[in-house]
Amino acid sequence: DTGVSQNPRHKITKRGQNVTFRCDPISEHNRLYWYRQTLGQGPEFLTYFQNEAQLEKSRLLSDRFSAERPKGSFSTLEIQRTEQGDSAMYLCASSLGSGVFTDTQYFGPGTRLTVL
Amino acid sequence: DAKTTQPTSMDCAEGRAANLPCNHSTISGNEYVYWYRQIHSQGPQYIIHGLKNNETNEMASLIITEDRKSSTLILPHATLRDTAVYYCIVRGPNFGNEKLTFGTGTRLTIIP
Repeated sequence: DTGVSQNPRHKITKRGQNVTFRCDPISEHNRLYWYRQTLGQGPEFLTYFQNEAQLEKSRLLSDRFSAERPKGSFSTLEIQRTEQGDSAMYLCASSLGSGVFTDTQYFGPGTRLTVL
Repeated sequence: DAKTTQPTSMDCAEGRAANLPCNHSTISGNEYVYWYRQIHSQGPQYIIHGLKNNETNEMASLIITEDRKSSTLILPHATLRDTAVYYCIVRGPNFGNEKLTFGTGTRLTIIP
């Protein structure tokens, strides 16, 4: 257990529905990251926050996806109008964000989304 | 970030040392080598990282060649719980290189 928690752990939804996932990072970690992992592939970066500011977004993050970190603590990832191609493991990671040269990311257990 | 090449799969006998290679021939002078592993259906777990010196922690040792074009992760006494996919990642220094770029990794199977 790294101290990064994600909820729910599993989500099954029907195509077209909206879903929201939550990530609670390690306490005092300033940076929070979202990744997506499909079957047989390594995780792919989606976006990251420095405190409450969203500083980078991957082109994988279509306009149906939105992420927030309103108070610089927990974060939510929402997917609107889900499609079957959104079925994946959604991973959250956090890091101190204060390392001079390196900054290790610690991952949560992930939320597995299945879109029927 | 430099790309990495890893074998698709490896087997290792329980109790023996598992040596996982990684090639990163285009690595830049200020890029670090990170290793993570992912046990089935769990999030990736940080193992170790290094720049140019060999590193050791309670989980593993990281040996980086002098030219830094390749590295080896060593699990000294493999157990069945070490069965996982191991990812070698090259990443630039902190600012502007925040994301990790994962490949498909090496699937390590520890055999009883």
